Amino acid sequence: GDQVEQSPSALSLHEGTGSALRCNFTTTMRAVQWFQQNSRGSLINLFYLASGTKENGRLKSTFNSKESYSTLHIRDAQLEDSGTYFCAAEAASSSFSKLVFGQGTSLSVVP
Amino acid sequence: DPKIIQKPKYLVAVTGSEKILICEQYLGHNAMYWYRQSAKKPLEFMFSYSYQKLMDNQTASSRFQPQSSKKNHLDLQITALKPDDSATYFCASSAGVSNERLFFGHGTKLSVL
Repeated sequence: GDQVEQSPSALSLHEGTGSALRCNFTTTMRAVQWFQQNSRGSLINLFYLASGTKENGRLKSTFNSKESYSTLHIRDAQLEDSGTYFCAAEAASSSFSKLVFGQGTSLSVVP
Repeated sequence: DPKIIQKPKYLVAVTGSEKILICEQYLGHNAMYWYRQSAKKPLEFMFSYSYQKLMDNQTASSRFQPQSSKKNHLDLQITALKPDDSATYFCASSAGVSNERLFFGHGTKLSVL
C-alpha cells in the first residue's frame, strides 16, 4: 500500500514568500531524501536526513522518524524554485536502498 | 558537467521491439539503480545493483533486464515493448546500497507506439 503521503499536491507562491511541504509515512522509515525535479525533468538531490534538521540556503528540512513525517520549508521563494518536489524514504525493514517516493508537490513561484 | 550519463535522452520504439537504455556514472559509486516515472505516478524503484550484483528487483516482468558490464555501468534492456512501458527511465547511483544519498541521471524518455 501507499507508504508515503505527500502534501500539498500543488502550491503557488509569490516571490519572497515561503511555505512548507510535508510527507507522512505509513511505515517506519530510517531516512528521507528530498528532490527537486526542474523544468528539464532533472532530479536534484536537496537533502538526505536520517534524523533531525538540515538547512541549505533558503531550504530547511526536518525528519521525525518516531512521528513518521518529514517537512521541507522554503523561504524567500524565487522563480527558479518552481518545479516538482518529491520526498522519498527508505523503509526501516528494507535491507537495501530502495526509495519509496511521494506523489510530488508541484510548486509554482510567481512574480 | 553531468556525472551520470544516460543515453539516449529520447527514444521512440514500436510495440514488440527491443531497446537498451544506457547508463554510466562517474561519481565512483558502488551502487546503481533504475527507477521509472510514468505519467501521473510517483517514481517507482525497479532494480538495485551493488558491485555489479543484483541486490533487489521490484519489476514483475522479465522483459526488463539490467546489464552491468563494468562497475560504473548499468544498462537496461527492455524486450517485447508495450505502450504501457512508455515512461521516463532514470538511472541513479549512491556510494553504497544503504543509508546513502541518491543521485539521478537526467533520464531517458521512452515512447512506445
